[in-house]
Amino acid sequence: DIQMTQSPSSLSASVGDRVTITCRASQIISTYLNWYQQKPGKAPKVLIYTASSLQSGVPSRFSGSGSGTDFTLTISSLQPEDFATYYCQQYYSTPLTFGGGTKVEIK
Amino acid sequence: EVQLVESGGGLVQPGGSLRLSCAASGFTFGDHWMHWVRQAPGKGLVWVSRINPDGSRITYADSLKGRFTISRDNAKNTLYLQMKSLRAEDTAVYYCARDARDVRLLDYWGQGTLVTVSS
Repeated sequence: DIQMTQSPSSLSASVGDRVTITCRASQIISTYLNWYQQKPGKAPKVLIYTASSLQSGVPSRFSGSGSGTDFTLTISSLQPEDFATYYCQQYYSTPLTFGGGTKVEIK
Repeated sequence: EVQLVESGGGLVQPGGSLRLSCAASGFTFGDHWMHWVRQAPGKGLVWVSRINPDGSRITYADSLKGRFTISRDNAKNTLYLQMKSLRAEDTAVYYCARDARDVRLLDYWGQGTLVTVSS
């Protein structure tokens, strides 16, 4: 199975901050990497697919980059509605696997 | 509008069985692979299983093989997850999710249904 390691597991940031979350795969997954946002009690929501494509309707302050084994999700200017948990997920092979999550909290 | 609505969750005793359903609408259900993903309380997302459009190709997480069975009824636009020999560690919110057709992505998710395994 492909292991997905996210860091940090949590972070505190202020509105307006630039936030970067990293995700590392245990083997090469090309760009088959997706990012999801999840708020408490809600289902995950797609932010970025195939490493760098912005899902329709998602604000442009979200961006993704990377290929191979190392990936990054960046929020260019953190907004109040962005406080949530973020997950990366590989879709290179089954079993699909998710990172452990990064909880973004208010500083 | 794409909608996925799970049902069938609840409290079940260890060793018991439960069948979850996911009613799909707003898209051509029979054109999409479908998945189940679960999330234990306070924990991360864990992929459970997927099924292809005609139900002929199925994959499970290794740890669940033999206890969980995914299926679908395209005439009823419904995805199922039959769970047996349930354990406390199966306690989780179970989400169904649609696989996007052109990219490798779970693009729509249901709201989830909570399964609690406890005596």
